[in-house]
Amino acid sequence: AQKVTQAQTEISVVEKEDVTLDCVYETRDTTYYLFWYKQPPSGELVFLIRRNSFDEQNEISGRYSWNFQKSTSSFNFTITASQVVDSAVYFCALSAYNTNAGKSTFGDGTTLTVKP
Amino acid sequence: EPEVTQTPSHQVTQMGQEVILRCVPISNHLYFYWYRQILGQKVEFLVSFYNNEISEKSEIFDDQFSVERPDGSNFTLKIRSTKLEDSAMYFCASTPEGTGELFFGEGSRLTVL
Repeated sequence: AQKVTQAQTEISVVEKEDVTLDCVYETRDTTYYLFWYKQPPSGELVFLIRRNSFDEQNEISGRYSWNFQKSTSSFNFTITASQVVDSAVYFCALSAYNTNAGKSTFGDGTTLTVKP
Repeated sequence: EPEVTQTPSHQVTQMGQEVILRCVPISNHLYFYWYRQILGQKVEFLVSFYNNEISEKSEIFDDQFSVERPDGSNFTLKIRSTKLEDSAMYFCASTPEGTGELFFGEGSRLTVL
């Protein structure tokens, strides 16, 4: 069985602060995918990143960065210099590395509020 | 940019009524999904569909639920006899083969009274 834990239910920061969203996962699969999705107040779900379990390189995309550590089963997400538009619910997700990789297990989400 | 479209955006129905939620996935995608999000809760997998048949379904997806792709473009979710607990946002998604990256529609909010 797969499980994703996002222990932080809500985080509130002031604009320009850095913030890290934690994600810990459990799976018996030896290969798998990890994802982050953003759900802004408008409600849609937006894909942010996918990581293969055999690629532990960290990734940076603008103000976003992701730290994947297989040894601790964690896939944390950092926003640098946060902005009000970053306010959203962020979901970490896990799927098996197979052709039906779109069948994902989501965490409960972390609600990030960035105050001006 | 191609996108997944869903209709209706919001549907209100009486308990026991049948509901059909419609989705048009991205045209060159091969896998189609329905996910559900009860208000304020996590996103839950319902069903995946590939090559005109269900490939996997969750425990939530009981006999009251069905999916079909009637015409090669639409992908529908039918709830035969709605219950109060079916009230949720239903998201359709599609993926190219094997990538796992879900392209979600904007969701259909179902309210069962």
